[in-house]
Amino acid sequence: KAGVTQTPRYLIKTRGQQVTLSCSPISGHRSVSWYQQTPGQGLQFLFEYFSETQRNKGNFPGRFSGRQFSNSRSEMNVSTLELGDSALYLCASHPDGRQGSYNEQFFGPGTRLTVL
Amino acid sequence: KQEVTQIPAALSVPEGENLVLNCSFTDSAIYNLQWFRQDPGKGLTSLLLIQSSQREQTSGRLNASLDKSSGRSTLYIAASQPGDSATYLCAVAYSGAGSYQLTFGKGTKLSVIP
Repeated sequence: KAGVTQTPRYLIKTRGQQVTLSCSPISGHRSVSWYQQTPGQGLQFLFEYFSETQRNKGNFPGRFSGRQFSNSRSEMNVSTLELGDSALYLCASHPDGRQGSYNEQFFGPGTRLTVL
Repeated sequence: KQEVTQIPAALSVPEGENLVLNCSFTDSAIYNLQWFRQDPGKGLTSLLLIQSSQREQTSGRLNASLDKSSGRSTLYIAASQPGDSATYLCAVAYSGAGSYQLTFGKGTKLSVIP
């Protein structure tokens, strides 16, 4: 089985621009989560999608948004980029989003976003 | 709010040594706990998952234990090798979140010296 894939792997943007990142989960996985990793804050939860619905959102401003498609692929968007948005953005998928199920998370390689 | 702490932040050991990495969490109402490995600039590789009802899990030279009541987990690495050098992250899934969300520690950076 192919793992979680993320595109692009690297991005350089300037302040004020917007960016869209893409994530394809492992085949059969219905739940996708996004995390931001920075040296100062570590890994922080952005949001989780299950069956095209956002089920939970972390403590990030509204500039961060996402969506999930019917094939479980997910995108996240950051508008009006700030220098502090420079980070590694990681996507994770799990086999089944229902609570009570075995829910090991598998992560993709990440997208390294640099904001100049 | 769940908080996860990993001690030490960095660890350097000679090859062949056995070692223990520590993880503590503030809210014992967890769904499960997962240990990951991260190589520089890369994504996370899942090492072990322990369900809240389990006490330990083993995979090869790795053994992870979980004590929910005291809010602690340990990752034991036997006979360390230079290839084990990486950052090790502990993450807990909170059962009261209404969805599946991991809270991470800041990690322990391990260096195994040949």
